[in-house]
Amino acid sequence: AQKVTQAQTEISVVEKEDVTLDCVYETRDTTYYLFWYKQPPSGELVFLIRRNSFDEQNEISGRYSWNFQKSTSSFNFTITASQVVDSAVYFCALITPKNSNYQLIWGAGTKLIIKP
Amino acid sequence: NAGVMQNPRHLVRRRGQEARLRCSPMKGHSHVYWYRQLPEEGLKFMVYLQKENIIDESGMPKERFSAEFPKEGPSILRIQQVVRGDSAAYFCASSPGRGNTYEQYFGPGTRLTVT
Repeated sequence: AQKVTQAQTEISVVEKEDVTLDCVYETRDTTYYLFWYKQPPSGELVFLIRRNSFDEQNEISGRYSWNFQKSTSSFNFTITASQVVDSAVYFCALITPKNSNYQLIWGAGTKLIIKP
Repeated sequence: NAGVMQNPRHLVRRRGQEARLRCSPMKGHSHVYWYRQLPEEGLKFMVYLQKENIIDESGMPKERFSAEFPKEGPSILRIQQVVRGDSAAYFCASSPGRGNTYEQYFGPGTRLTVT
């Protein structure tokens, strides 16, 4: 079975602190895709990153970075020098093409609160 | 190139009424997914459609819910005889398919409130 676990329900930090959002996934497939989405208070879904299972290189995009580790089935997301505008719910998600018709399997989300 | 369109953005229905949610995929996309987000929860897959075909409806409630994606026009998610528990945000995503089905582009969502 495929599953995504985001154990942190809510995280609250003060602006400028670094924060890491955890994501652990389960799948027996060797080919899969991992995603992070941001859902700000306005409610839309903002795509942040997609990673395929064959690419374990870490990714950095400005203040955002992602650490993909197959050995621990984790795909963690770090925001450096957080800002109030980063306040949102963040979702990690998984696609396993072989078994699930490409449907996204979602974690429960982590609500991130950045205090000024 | 317009993104995925959903309308209405907000829909209020009384218990027992019907709700129709529309999703216009991106130009050239022939695959549509519907997901539901209950309040304070993550998203759950509902149904996957290609033009004129339902490919996977394993996430759809067995009763009152139906979906279609006709040859012409938007995809429609229809909820008959709505109940309070149907109140949620409904997102659709479109995909080009053809080996790129993992690329899903989301619409802004329709927020359904059942009173």
